[in-house]
Parts: sequence; C-alpha cells; structure tokens
Amino acid sequence: GAVVSQHPSRVICKSGTSVKIECRSLDFQATTMFWYRQFPKQSLMLMATSNEGSKATYEQGVEKDKFLINHASLTLSTLTVTSAHPEDSSFYICSVRRGQTYEQYFGPGTRLTVT
Amino acid sequence: QKEVEQNSGPLSVPEGAIASLNCTYSDRGSQSFFWYRQYSGKSPELIMSIYSNGDKEDGRFTAQLNKASQYVSLLIRDSQPSDSATYLCAVNIQGGGNKLTFGTGTQLKVEL
Repeated sequence: GAVVSQHPSRVICKSGTSVKIECRSLDFQATTMFWYRQFPKQSLMLMATSNEGSKATYEQGVEKDKFLINHASLTLSTLTVTSAHPEDSSFYICSVRRGQTYEQYFGPGTRLTVT
Repeated sequence: QKEVEQNSGPLSVPEGAIASLNCTYSDRGSQSFFWYRQYSGKSPELIMSIYSNGDKEDGRFTAQLNKASQYVSLLIRDSQPSDSATYLCAVNIQGGGNKLTFGTGTQLKVEL
C-alpha cells in the first residue's frame, strides 16, 4: 500500500473564510494526486486531478476559482476552499496515484464544517 | 447506462458465509479494476486489484474478472462482522486520463 496523510482531519470555519487542506504522500513521490468530496451517505465525487508542476484539471461543475489546488512538490498537494459556505461542508479526501498505474491510495480525509 | 454500476444493497449475509459483490462496467477498453472498502465515516481503502481475466485470491478475498461480459466481482469468504462496510468498484475508463471511475458502492452487512 501507500501512506497518505491529510491535515487537518477536522476543521470548523465561519462562512466567508478560506480553509486550506494538505495532502502528503509519505512513502513515494506522486506526480498525480486527486481530490474527492463525499457528502453523507452519498458517492465519492472526483473534484479535480492535481498534477505536479502544472495546473489542476477540474471535473465538470467544480469551480476552479473556489477550490484552489496547488501541487508544488512531488509529495504535497493542497486544496483551498475559498469563501466557504455552509453547503461546502463535506468530507474532503485526497488520493495518490502510484507511479504510472491506475492504483490510488487515499488519505484519511478532512471533515469540513462551515458555520 | 452508468459507466460503473453496483447494486447499492444493503447485502446482508450471516457470519461465516460467502459474500458476493458484483460490478459491471461499460467500457470494453478498461484494463484496470479495483475494489475498495470504505467503513462509515472513513476514507476508502484499496483491498484488491485485478487486471487479467480469471480469479485473483488474497486471503479471504477473491476478485473475479470477466472482460467479455464486462463484470468484476469480489467474493469474501468466511465473512466477519468487521467486513461490514461499503465496497466500491473502480475502473479506468478510456479517455478518462489517469483517473478511476467509481461505482456508487454496495453496502455489506455481516450479521451475527
């Protein structure tokens, strides 16, 4: 497997503020990471593909100016939720792609609550 | 037709029985297939990968792939209450880049 960390594990913020979530690949370098969102009792939804050294690729319907992704190194990708609203409250999960395979290993997730 | 389909369940099996989870996919060009387990409130965990037709066994888990019929299944032998979780099928779809397409998951309940 692979070890992937996320920080913070839980965060509560006020409406209108921004929150940054970090995703780290701890045991191998990852050129590609993914960001997902999951609402309670719903499916995993891919938000974007994060590529080291280049712009992220966003899925249809995901606002790139609201969900800022930075993948500045081979072990770290960050997701910033800007001007958060209560409807952004969700479980945000990153994953790391192993090499050139399709295998993905998930971080433990970050539970965001916007009040 | 959805790209990756799973029965949402719940699938209930008694402890010690074999749990059979199924997944169908639409893209004949798919080559990589994965099963993830997700406990309630937790993130998904990769438990099996399969790339060739036939069976692949790992402990109590067996993945089965039939590319001609476009289905992949997961068998869990000697099911335990700790196997109760949602099982996600994931497939690479041609033209989808590096990403995986996930099914909506099947909830498994193993009852004492």
